[in-house]
Amino acid sequence: EVRLVESGGGLVQPGGSLRLSCAVSGLTFENYWMSWVRQAPGKGLEWVAYIKQDGSEKYYVDSVKGRFTISRDNAKKSLYLQMNSLRAEDTALYYCARGHKGLEFWGQGTTVTVSS
Amino acid sequence: EVVLTQSPGTLSLSPGERATLSCRASQSVSNNLAWYQQKPGQAPRLLIYDASYRAAGIPDRFSGTGSGTDFTLTINRLEPEDFALYYCQHYGTSRSFGQGTKVDI
Repeated sequence: EVRLVESGGGLVQPGGSLRLSCAVSGLTFENYWMSWVRQAPGKGLEWVAYIKQDGSEKYYVDSVKGRFTISRDNAKKSLYLQMNSLRAEDTALYYCARGHKGLEFWGQGTTVTVSS
Repeated sequence: EVVLTQSPGTLSLSPGERATLSCRASQSVSNNLAWYQQKPGQAPRLLIYDASYRAAGIPDRFSGTGSGTDFTLTINRLEPEDFALYYCQHYGTSRSFGQGTKVDI
């Protein structure tokens, strides 16, 4: 069974930090690019970041550059997103997803709420 | 940064009809474009990649065409389960999604 399970979301104050994790099972992890995509309440999808198979290349949407860091541990089949200096506009459901030419497998997401 | 503009915002149709969704890129993305379907409370589902290739398990009533800046997702003979939100996404060095088209009954 294919599973991508995100965790680490929660309520955090503006300026705070969170680390999201995505545990992958039932499919090959180390051979694929991985991404984080978010969706603010009632809004559309926004790609956040993606990382190459070996972690050597990482790309971010402009709004999170310098604040978010994507990483992966292929031995643990896990993807991470370190989020610092969080803002209200980062409030969203955060999905991890596998794929390069299209995101073919998705988790169910973890909710991040940035509020005082 | 490539901006993807989807039209129309909402498409009101009936089961059995054909849906034609448009996605226009602000600059050429070659054929590096995917389409997704999203239903309330669910993660998106990949339908089409490389502009015209159906993902695994996607029925052949879904088809994608286009290259460069203009792309179309066509859904022939709408089934009740096809009424949902649809997004396009490009995957160059930067990546972005369109704002979505809702296919409504």
